[in-house]
Amino acid sequence: GAGVSQSPSNKVTEKGKDVELRCDPISGHTALYWYRQSLGQGLEFLIYFQGNSAPDKSGLPSDRFSAERTGGSVSTLTIQRTQQEDSAVYLCASSQGTGAATQYFGPGTRLLVL
Amino acid sequence: GENVEQHPSTLSVQEGDSAVIKCTYSDSASNYFPWYKQELGKRPQLIIDIRSNVGEKKDQRIAVTLNKTAKHFSLHITETQPEDSAVYFCAASFGGNQFYFGTGTSLTVIP
Repeated sequence: GAGVSQSPSNKVTEKGKDVELRCDPISGHTALYWYRQSLGQGLEFLIYFQGNSAPDKSGLPSDRFSAERTGGSVSTLTIQRTQQEDSAVYLCASSQGTGAATQYFGPGTRLLVL
Repeated sequence: GENVEQHPSTLSVQEGDSAVIKCTYSDSASNYFPWYKQELGKRPQLIIDIRSNVGEKKDQRIAVTLNKTAKHFSLHITETQPEDSAVYFCAASFGGNQFYFGTGTSLTVIP
């Protein structure tokens, strides 16, 4: 079946603008994760959704970052008043969410803040 | 919370040699340890994983070992090939909730 998809694949924005990044998880996956990957760096956890539970937002770097997951499926990561240091690849992953389930990653959104 | 450390950060091997990447974790409750391979410009993809009830798992040229007492796990790639060149990430998780990733190892296989 279809894997995790993300849009847009690339986004260039000006400093101070808001951006929205979208993630479509694999159908039936209850768990959804957002990560940030700066150039040549590892994966920085941002936020985790599991079913209808309150999301784990402990990785969000500032209050400019927020995320929603509507209907337990699609998720949107919003960055307000973007800064140049927000430039990175934003990766979404989903899993079945039961026990130690495998994460499947999307292709990522490459964000460049000028 | 969990802390995962990964070594080395870069590794170069001759084609045909073995490569070993090691990770340590801090939370003894972690029970799931996946390894991901990320080729340049592509998404991370799971290559092998191990759960805390086993000590070793092998899949063709790739193997992972887990030492729960010492809280470390390692990825072993034998008979390396140029297409094994990529960044490898380890991760630790308890029950598939938050995943904690290592900082990655850039592996270069020299033909």
